[in-house]
Amino acid sequence: QSALTQPASVSGSPGQSITISCTGTSSDVGSHNLVSWFQQYPGKAPKVIIYEVSKWPSGVSNRFSGSKSGNTASLTISGLQAEDEADYYCCSYAGGSTWVFGGGTSLTVL
Amino acid sequence: QVQLVQSGAEVKKPGASVKVSCKASGDPFTTYFIHWIRQAPGQGLEYMGVVYPSAGTTGYAQNFQVRLTVTMDTSTSTFYMELRSLRSEDTAVYFCATEFPQSGRFDYWGQGTLVTVSS
Repeated sequence: QSALTQPASVSGSPGQSITISCTGTSSDVGSHNLVSWFQQYPGKAPKVIIYEVSKWPSGVSNRFSGSKSGNTASLTISGLQAEDEADYYCCSYAGGSTWVFGGGTSLTVL
Repeated sequence: QVQLVQSGAEVKKPGASVKVSCKASGDPFTTYFIHWIRQAPGQGLEYMGVVYPSAGTTGYAQNFQVRLTVTMDTSTSTFYMELRSLRSEDTAVYFCATEFPQSGRFDYWGQGTLVTVSS
């Protein structure tokens, strides 16, 4: 499987909203409502912030929201805060007991 | 709640094998799927494989089907990832993570194990 396609970097000012796209194929994102998003700080393990396209794990801020249309999933972060500066990865089930990650997006809060 | 504690860093020569462990504690491990994911230095996350503890079965990403074996020891709630025929490109931090079944909710992660492949 090929990696999902994400922009390498995005930026926004505090209080603004940003959206990160995640483009796959009809074999992964387009076929399954099993898309997750992860936040990762340098030197730390990833943390799931969205699962099943748009659900929040317990304790995750609702400033994070997920959606999907066709072969593209999106993560929107509203009310940007300095602490949101991190790397973000999408991940989709691809069938056959396997998953595929996006290449990651570095978010800079200006 | 689950805690995953992984084994320590390893240095291996090209062509060797490495076996990383991931010990689970807390909720019964059969509640979850256990995945293995790696991250090369400065790079993104790469999916490797999964073990389904309740069924005792496994699954592998296409890139790892030949060189990777994931296993578990139910008596000690420990999961293992063995990667063979190592090459320099396998230098990475290897993570184990739980998934609430068929949800993509990868809730709990190990601390990561750095494997360095160098001659």
